[in-house]
Amino acid sequence: DAGVTQSPTHLIKTRGQQVTLRCSPKSGHDTVSWYQQALGQGPQFIFQYYEEEERQRGNFPDRFSGHQFPNYSSELNVNALLLGDSALYLCASSLRSSRNQPQHFGDGTRLSIL
Amino acid sequence: AQSVSQHNHHVILSEAASLELGCNYSYGGTVNLFWYVQYPGQHLQLLLKYFSGDPLVKGIKGFEAEFIKSKFSFNLRKPSVQWSDTAEYFCAVLPGTGANNLFFGTGTRLTVIP
Repeated sequence: DAGVTQSPTHLIKTRGQQVTLRCSPKSGHDTVSWYQQALGQGPQFIFQYYEEEERQRGNFPDRFSGHQFPNYSSELNVNALLLGDSALYLCASSLRSSRNQPQHFGDGTRLSIL
Repeated sequence: AQSVSQHNHHVILSEAASLELGCNYSYGGTVNLFWYVQYPGQHLQLLLKYFSGDPLVKGIKGFEAEFIKSKFSFNLRKPSVQWSDTAEYFCAVLPGTGANNLFFGTGTRLTVIP
């Protein structure tokens, strides 16, 4: 039973570039949430996707966008990268109908902006 | 706005010492509470969760946490730590209604000295 998988593991970009991060949810899960974890901080919620639509959004600018595909996998896109976007980006999956079940996290993608 | 406070940023203990990590949250309604652990180089893993019922919750690896509603607290405890408990510990809150995203604290780094 595969857990949450994220790709790539590490990524180095320069300011102004665009990046796409990918996530495959745990088998049986239909909801994907993205979090940003800056160094020394706890994860902060970016947004959540269910049924291919963004359902909730945290306090992040429009440069952060996403997508969910029919197979429940998801992408996180960040445009016009800033130095402050350097962080570990975590994907978490869950089952919408089982609110009492915890989210499962992937290993994350470490994004470094030069 | 919801917030989660973890006042201990870095805790250093010797093996066999007892552990208590503090977690306080600001949310007046029903909450679901979690402790996640992040071992070096690994993904966030669920230690334990509280949804309802007995406020003393037992998790994996000998950890437990007590929900004290009047104090808005959910402190994590372990009677005797091991070197392998060295990790980052995150408290997280899921509001009982509405938002379906986790609010994390800033984390507590635990270092256990053999």
